Order: sequence, then structure tokens, then C-alpha cells
Amino acid sequence: SAVISQKPSRDICQRGTSLTIQCQVDSQVTMMFWYRQQPGQSLTLIATANQGSEATYESGFVIDKFPISRPNLTFSTLTVSNMSPEDSSIYLCSVEPVTAGVVYEQYFGPGTRLTVT
Amino acid sequence: DAKTTQPPSMDCAEGRAANLPCNHSTISGNEYVYWYRQIHSQGPQYIIHGLKNNETNEMASLIITEDRKSSTLILPHATLRDTAVYYCIVSSAGGTSYGKLTFGQGTILTVHP
Repeated sequence: SAVISQKPSRDICQRGTSLTIQCQVDSQVTMMFWYRQQPGQSLTLIATANQGSEATYESGFVIDKFPISRPNLTFSTLTVSNMSPEDSSIYLCSVEPVTAGVVYEQYFGPGTRLTVT
Repeated sequence: DAKTTQPPSMDCAEGRAANLPCNHSTISGNEYVYWYRQIHSQGPQYIIHGLKNNETNEMASLIITEDRKSSTLILPHATLRDTAVYYCIVSSAGGTSYGKLTFGQGTILTVHP
């Protein structure tokens, strides 16, 4: 298993500003993921962040809006840039330990609740 | 990844078994069935997964039909703390879909006293 922490747990930001969310894992993992959960909705994958390579973004998400860093095997950041009220969501990171080359389960952080005014 | 269909909501009495169905009629041979749940204001929690055979762990049992087109998650003795949104997800454990989980709307399970 893996224990994941996120900072901040919540924030209220003004439109036009940017917020960087941190994700820390208690063990080394190859794959980290960032999800968004808009109010009353399910989770949507933003991007996959692997250490040592550029993040891979899903359709509808772009690097200029959601730049991601992955400096080592236990840490990643997601920045929400030039925020608008539509960016108000819960942002979650997750990790996926690999067992014998096969991936079975993901562990999620507690999420960062972002409100943009 | 194959799409899944779940009922939007279900109720269950505390102490009784909760049986949550999921249809995944377009599942392909290398895709697993995963179940996660999300308790209010928390990140999703992995419950169980399976490929062909029925599976059981300390949290739940997973029954997959022989044709793999549907499955049922069973919580044998539901408690109030099992009230959550339950997500049935079909995904391959490798290849180009490596690690990608596509969350649907899930089933809101409410366990009442």
C-alpha cells in the first residue's frame, strides 16, 4: 500500500491567479496520476506523471493550463494556471504500485478542494 | 476501455448484504473489473479486482459472470460506514491503457439503520 498526502487540503483563490498542489508519497512509485472532480461529478483523469519524462495529458487538458512536475519518485506537483470559477474542483493525485510488472490498484490522496472566486 | 453501467443508487439495511451490480458487455479479454468506493470528502479507495474468477478479500466479494459481461460486488455485512459511491471500472492492467481508470457516475449506496 501507499500513504499519500496533499497540500494544501483546500484553498480559495481569485480568478487569474495560479495554485500549485503538492502530492507526497511515502514510498517510491513509478506512476502518478492527477484527477479532477468537479462538484457533484465523478473523477476525470487530467494527466499521468512519470519520473524523468514529460507528463501525458488526457483529451481536454493541456500543459499550459495544468503544468505538472515530477522531480523524483515520491513527489509531484500540479499547477492550476490562470484560474477561473470553472476550475473550482477537488484535485486528487494517485499512485500505482507495480507488482511483477502488472498494475492492479491505485491509491488516492485525500484531495485538494479548490474554490475560485 | 469498456464502458460500465451501474444503477445510480441503492439502499441497504445495516447488517444485511449489499449486492451492487455492474454491466460491462463490451469488456475485452485483457481487461480487469475493478471496484473502488468514495466516501464523502475522501479520495477513492480500492476494494477489489478480478479478471475471470470470483474473488474475495477482507472487504468484499466479486462475482463475475462466465461471459464476463456483468459482475456483482458483495459487501457481506454492510455497516453505516459503507455508505459511499461505488465505482465499477473496466481497465487493462497493462499496455497503452496502463493505469488509466475511467470513472463513471457510480452507484450511491446508502446503508440505513
